[in-house]
Order: sequence, then C-alpha cells, then structure tokens
Amino acid sequence: DAGVIQSPRHEVTEMGQEVTLRCKPISGHNSLFWYRQTMMRGLELLIYFNNNVPIDDSGMPEDRFSAKMPNASFSTLKIQPSEPRDSAVYFCASSLAQGSEAFFGQGTRLTVV
Amino acid sequence: GEDVEQSLFLSVREGDSSVINCTYTDSSSTYLYWYKQEPGAGLQLLTYIFSNMDMKQDQRLTVLLNKKDKHLSLRIADTQTGDSAIYFCAETPGANNLFFGTGTRLTVIP
Repeated sequence: DAGVIQSPRHEVTEMGQEVTLRCKPISGHNSLFWYRQTMMRGLELLIYFNNNVPIDDSGMPEDRFSAKMPNASFSTLKIQPSEPRDSAVYFCASSLAQGSEAFFGQGTRLTVV
Repeated sequence: GEDVEQSLFLSVREGDSSVINCTYTDSSSTYLYWYKQEPGAGLQLLTYIFSNMDMKQDQRLTVLLNKKDKHLSLRIADTQTGDSAIYFCAETPGANNLFFGTGTRLTVIP
C-alpha cells in the first residue's frame, strides 16, 4: 500500500477563495482523521470519521470548514471562504480501528494570501 | 474532555540525554504513544507503551509511565543531530481515537 495520500502537497490561494484538500486513506482502514498544524498552536484535531461517518467535529474552527467522506477511500476538507489565518499544514491520517496506530499522510501546506 | 499537554520546545547538546514530558487526562487510555515528525513530513509512530507497564526500553529510547500522576516521558540517550524533530505524545481514551499533544520541538545543538 502506498500509505495515506494527500493532495495537493502545496496550495497557495487568495483570501476569499474556496480550497479543497483531498485524502485517500490506507485501504481497509476504518478511521480517518483531519489535523491542522501551526507553529503557534501545534497539532489540532479537526474532525474524525469512523466507517465514513463523522464522529466528532468539535475541532472544526467555524462554519467555513466542512469535511466529507463519501466512501471508504476518499475524504475532503473544504474551506470556504478561506482566510489568511487558515494558513497551516493540514494532515490526514487513517487507522485500522479506533485507538490503534494512526498513519499520516505527507500533509498539505496551505498558504492563504 | 481529553487534554494532552507538552512543552513546545526543548534544546539539548549532542551526546546528552533528552527528556520529553507529557501529561494526559484520561486514565482509561489503553495505549500511550510517542510519534516523531521530521521536517517536511507527516508523523510516524516511534514507540508505545501499554497502560499496565511502568517502563519500556527500546535501544536509545526509554518510555516511563506514571499512571497515578498521568505523566508520560520519553528519554533519548546519547542524542544525535538526527533526533532533531517534533515529538508528539498521544492517548487513547476508552475505545476512542487518538488525541495528540501539541508536540515538542527538539533541537540538538552540535
């Protein structure tokens, strides 16, 4: 397996634009997580899914953020409209089961100017 | 709710020992993990400890767990420049998912 695949690796966009980040989890994994990492706040859990169902989205900063998992092999994190303070590295991770080791993607570095 | 705390920065001299500390809130965590993030990469599992253990040693790494105080530490002996990275601890409350600390950025000074 190629591991967790995220795209794009880098994204630069203007304030107000819509941004969509994509994630393909490891095949057979039942849990999927979206994290955001900044220097000031460290790693923050945004939302996680079990069996494609969102379980906890309390970490989503505000209504501008939304995440979907239409099937077991794909998830998106959308920001609309984007703001400069959304600039961060966004990680997707998947795990075989709840509480087991999580495998991370390489991340998407988002810059909103 | 779950809260995993770590200091953000640690600097050590090459050859010294590094100790990265972590406190967590949920005493029902079955496993406690240490992840390592190298520059420009995602997090990778470094080591883990079962909640019924006090210590685990793996080559230069020693994990200590104090369940009473809900304190976890990672000691790296003979720290090398290649150990420079961000280290995350994570808890697994109940049957739920991983909750990570904010990470400790370890800088090794030659």
